[in-house]
Amino acid sequence: NAGVMQNPRHLVRRRGQEARLRCSPMKGHSHVYWYRQLPEEGLKFMVYLQKENIIDESGMPKERFSAEFPKEGPSILRIQQVVRGDSAAYFCASSPTGTGDHNEQFFGPGTRLTVL
Amino acid sequence: KQEVTQIPAALSVPEGENLVLNCSFTDSAIYNLQWFRQDPGKGLTSLLLIQSSQREQTSGRLNASLDKSSGRSTLYIAASQPGDSATYLCDGSGGSYIPTFGRGTSLIVHP
Repeated sequence: NAGVMQNPRHLVRRRGQEARLRCSPMKGHSHVYWYRQLPEEGLKFMVYLQKENIIDESGMPKERFSAEFPKEGPSILRIQQVVRGDSAAYFCASSPTGTGDHNEQFFGPGTRLTVL
Repeated sequence: KQEVTQIPAALSVPEGENLVLNCSFTDSAIYNLQWFRQDPGKGLTSLLLIQSSQREQTSGRLNASLDKSSGRSTLYIAASQPGDSATYLCDGSGGSYIPTFGRGTSLIVHP
């Protein structure tokens, strides 16, 4: 059972371009979480999704950021018109359930976004 | 809104010492408490998950406890080794089920 997969592992974009980050959860997991880790800061929750549903996006900036988790395929975190402040490590985690006692999270290796 | 605090922020110890890392949280209606380690430039590796109905979990040299009434969890590392050097993060999912991480404890174990 492969772990959580993220690609690309490293992404370089120029200001104003779009960044698309992909996350494939572990097999059998239907809950996905996205986090951002800025240099010298902690891990911040961004968005929580189930298949075809955004459950909570309270941690995601209102503009330029969007996330989806389609019925088929990976979850996508999309950042439009990137700025230098978007440079960070973006982590995805998945769990078999989203609430209760059995929502142990398993993390991917992260995508390191650098905005030039 | 859940807030998670980890103390100490950094720790440097000689090999062989027994260590205690602390995590406190504000919302006692916690679903579970999960401890992770993060190596530089890497993702997070799950160490221990304590479910809300449990008080502690053990894995090898690691033991984690959970005291919901006082809003605390402790990660105990026995006989520390240089390979334990990493940042340790705790995640307390409170009543809103949103994962909330502390800033972490950066641990260095020197030979």
